[in-house]
Amino acid sequence: NAGVTQTPKFQVLKTGQSMTLQCAQDMNHNSMYWYRQDPGMGLRLIYYSASEGTTDKGEVPNGYNVSRLNKREFSLRLESAAPSQTSVYFCASREGAPSTEAFFGQGTRLTVV
Amino acid sequence: GEDVEQSLFLSVREGDSSVINCTYTDSSSTYLYWYKQEPGAGLQLLTYIFSNMDMKQDQRLTVLLNKKDKHLSLRIADTQTGDSAIYFCAESPDSNYQLIWGAGTKLIIKP
Repeated sequence: NAGVTQTPKFQVLKTGQSMTLQCAQDMNHNSMYWYRQDPGMGLRLIYYSASEGTTDKGEVPNGYNVSRLNKREFSLRLESAAPSQTSVYFCASREGAPSTEAFFGQGTRLTVV
Repeated sequence: GEDVEQSLFLSVREGDSSVINCTYTDSSSTYLYWYKQEPGAGLQLLTYIFSNMDMKQDQRLTVLLNKKDKHLSLRIADTQTGDSAIYFCAESPDSNYQLIWGAGTKLIIKP
């Protein structure tokens, strides 16, 4: 079982560059999430998709866009990277609210210089 | 508002019990979770408890829930070096699809 797969694992960007973080899950889950993790701040929700065809902003959406390409895939795009976006990004999926376990990818460590 | 609070660090001696505490705010949460994050890895579900339970035990893990005080704790008996990790508390409000996360408690094991 692959679970939740994120690519890439590491990335260095220059300020102003763009990139897309990819996430795919093979568990037929309805809901998918993008979080960023910064030291001492836990997980902060960037965007989520409660089901295929819907996306909603989370706590820190500025500077990001998302696409729920199909039920399996949920991508996160940085249009013009800034040093403040240096973080570890996690994708997660779960079957649906409110009862189910969330499964996480291994994370993408992004550095913006 | 929604908020989950945990202390950032806990240091215990190997072999002792570790108790990690969490307070949450949304009384509608049906499920409360403990996740474990090892260095360089994603989060993995450690255990969870239904809101109508007071206690859940699973091998070395004991979860206590005080719904009146909105307080959740995770006790790890006989703490081992392999328990070194960050432990996250999370609640799942019935009202939406989000999980509300604490900042995580880093468990440090002293020899």
